[in-house]
Amino acid sequence: EAGVTQFPSHSVIEKGQTVTLRCDPISGHDNLYWYRRVMGKEIKFLLHFVKESKQDESGMPNNRFLAERTGGTYSTLKVQPAELEDSGVYFCASSHWDRTYEQYFGPGTRLTVT
Amino acid sequence: QKEVEQDPGPLSVPEGAIVSLNCTYSNSAFQYFMWYRQYSRKGPELLMYTYSSGNKEDGRFTAQVDKSSKYISLFIRDSQPSDSATYLCAMRSSNFGNEKLTFGTGTRLTIIP
Repeated sequence: EAGVTQFPSHSVIEKGQTVTLRCDPISGHDNLYWYRRVMGKEIKFLLHFVKESKQDESGMPNNRFLAERTGGTYSTLKVQPAELEDSGVYFCASSHWDRTYEQYFGPGTRLTVT
Repeated sequence: QKEVEQDPGPLSVPEGAIVSLNCTYSNSAFQYFMWYRQYSRKGPELLMYTYSSGNKEDGRFTAQVDKSSKYISLFIRDSQPSDSATYLCAMRSSNFGNEKLTFGTGTRLTIIP
């Protein structure tokens, strides 16, 4: 069984540009989560999809961040326009609908905003 | 005050030693407790999860939860150099629809051969 995959693994962009991160969850997992770790801080929750619906987006920092999960499969997280403080590692995780305490993480996308 | 406190270390122990990693928390709503292992430049890997107070064992790993003290621990027996990684505690409530994990900062562990 393939794990959670994320693309790209690393992105370097200038302040003001747009970046789109992609996450492919484990096949059959209805739940998809985005988390972020900024330098020196703990991993923090951003939002949670159940299939294509946003279940919880309480962790989204501001309206420069837009997450989508069209069709309930892969998800994208767009940052527009990027700011310096958006630098960090963005993780995606997924879980089966009846085992939500088992969240499996992808390798992360390291975003550097210069 | 952070909801989850974890000593960042670093922690270095000789191979074969017993390792104790700990987290404390302040939110009584947390009912599920997880331990993740993260190697450098990789994503967190789920090691164990527990719900009840008490101990749960899986091979060389034992997770311990004390809800009355809001304290959780992970013990690693017969530690190996391959156990060198950052260990993250995470927890969440049992409320339906509230599945977000709250993480500690992680403890960096090095096992010295």
